[in-house]
Amino acid sequence: QKEVEQNSGPLSVPEGAIASLNCTYSDRGSQSFFWYRQYSGKSPELIMFIYSNGDKEDGRFTAQLNKASQYVSLLIRDSQPSDSATYLCAVKGRTGFQKLVFGTGTRLLVSP
Amino acid sequence: EAQVTQNPRYLITVTGKKLTVTCSQNMNHEYMSWYRQDPGLGLRQIYYSMNVEVTDKGDVPEGYKVSRKEKRNFPLILESPSPNQTSLYFCASSPKLNTEAFFGQGTRLTVV
Repeated sequence: QKEVEQNSGPLSVPEGAIASLNCTYSDRGSQSFFWYRQYSGKSPELIMFIYSNGDKEDGRFTAQLNKASQYVSLLIRDSQPSDSATYLCAVKGRTGFQKLVFGTGTRLLVSP
Repeated sequence: EAQVTQNPRYLITVTGKKLTVTCSQNMNHEYMSWYRQDPGLGLRQIYYSMNVEVTDKGDVPEGYKVSRKEKRNFPLILESPSPNQTSLYFCASSPKLNTEAFFGQGTRLTVV
């Protein structure tokens, strides 16, 4: 079992729709959760982080964390073609300094 | 401007020829890491450093060396590169544990 799992996609949504990206993790003691966006050939850039159960909203983005079920999700409201990218979920476990474990990413395609 | 700077951005080299990829950050971050990104495998940590003169192996350290003589610099050294080290490399820094990583622009390395 991979430590952090994501569906590779592509996830295709029309412009204006809500895109829902999911991530599950295996380390029940994980404490910090991050979503990065990566355009092809570019470096990952942080979109959101979440530490506590529940929802966290930032503009069009909402991160949702459920530690009991070991999943974290990212919702993108009013999706735009510029949101088309690969979204990486990263989890920081209990042990290991600076050991951010990344999922392989979900490719999102937003069509005009 | 706060940033992580890697050089070179692109490098083609031959098997066995020693090379160094430099990484520098101007944010006074304590924590720095090197990752490689390969299709289907995602981002994998090579080495990390918690502070000057403190480094440790990540998940895929074989064939790589690092050093941290100054807080701002964290070079990645390939003593004898091989074709299986052809990859996209990212340097990242973080201010504290459990916080997000800021990535450099990436170095695309090809070993022939």
